[in-house]
Order: sequence, then C-alpha cells, then structure tokens
Amino acid sequence: DAMVIQNPRYQVTQFGKPVTLSCSQTLNHNVMYWYQQKSSQAPKLLFHYYDKDFNNEADTPDNFQSRRPNTSFCFLDIRSPGLGDAAMYLCATSNRGGTEAFFGQGTRLTVV
Amino acid sequence: GQQLNQSPQSMFIQEGEDVSMNCTSSSIFNTWLWYKQDPGEGPVLLIALYKAGELTSNGRLTAQFGITRKDSFLNISASIPSDVGIYFCAVGGGGADGLTFGKGTHLIIQP
Repeated sequence: DAMVIQNPRYQVTQFGKPVTLSCSQTLNHNVMYWYQQKSSQAPKLLFHYYDKDFNNEADTPDNFQSRRPNTSFCFLDIRSPGLGDAAMYLCATSNRGGTEAFFGQGTRLTVV
Repeated sequence: GQQLNQSPQSMFIQEGEDVSMNCTSSSIFNTWLWYKQDPGEGPVLLIALYKAGELTSNGRLTAQFGITRKDSFLNISASIPSDVGIYFCAVGGGGADGLTFGKGTHLIIQP
C-alpha cells in the first residue's frame, strides 16, 4: 500500500564517499521533490522535478544532484558527503497543479 | 524567502485535553496544509485548505484557513496518546513549487 517508497531507511556513509538515495512512487504524480530535514528542524526543499524538468533551489549546494530516469523513480546523489550533510532526506510527490505533497518515510543519513 | 511563524513551539498537555496551534505569515498564500510527523518517519498530510475562511475537519482534527489568507489554525479535540508528535503547517506557492514549512509544534501528552 505504500505510495512513496524510500530506500534505504538508514544509510551510513564515509566522509567524502559518494552516496545515492532512492525514491519510487506508485501515485503516477508528475512532480517529485527532495527535502533535507536536520534534527529538530523543518524540512527544507533541495530541488524538484516537474516531469523531466529539473528545478534547483537557489541555496542548494552543488554537492547535491538528482536524477529522474522515469516517472516512478527519483534519486538523490551526494557527491562528497560532509559531516554537515547528516540528516533525514525526504522524498515527496504531488500532482501537476496541486500543492498537496505526499511524503515517503525518509532515509536517515549518517556520515562517519 | 517565505517565512511562517508557528506557535506554540511545544505543548505539554494531559490526555483528553483539547489542543490548538496556529501559523501566521506576512504574505498571502492560496493553500495551507497541516502535517504530522512521528519520530523517524516522513510527514503525513492531515488537512489541506484551499479557500479563505474554509473550515475543514478530519476526525478529531479541525483546521481553518484565515480570511486574510495569512494564517491558519489546527485544533485537536480530546487528545489521545497517539496524537504525540510534531505538527507542521506548510504553504505552497501553487503549481509544482515545493512547500515551505513552519518550525513545528511538538505535542507531548503527559500521563
């Protein structure tokens, strides 16, 4: 029944070692988002795909990249994780023209 | 950027009490959303509001979209232990733009 699925739930990576987080959806929504949520803070938008069009937030570091090979899947790539990148990463989807967003369970990233 | 002021930051209540929290903004928005987040999980949508003045219920939850389009409140009646969590208000810019979240209200129910 899960509609937005993130894998893995927990990821440990070494400082500077590239890491990829994945998200898939069964809702057939046009828009997929990636948010970063640090401890005791609100989710912060990193970027989103509107269909195949990529939209980066102005303050998202270059270290963060994303790929959307098809409607169902979206990936978050962190090229050189730093200790400050440890956070919960949330994937969300929404319909074209709508603002309701549906979130996955998140991936908790630890950088050692 | 857009900023939402959400209050209170935390609430300590007894089971069975009613709860009220609110969000305000200096800007006008066309959509207000309320989410609940449990520890280690993603936010879950509780209520979506699309019209100024709209009052919407979802079980024991009631939310209103302020008439000025700059604020919203969420009420929870007769709180139960599973209501514990962090409640976020959020606004959207319309279309595919992502959401901006308030800082959250941490609800704690004392035994």
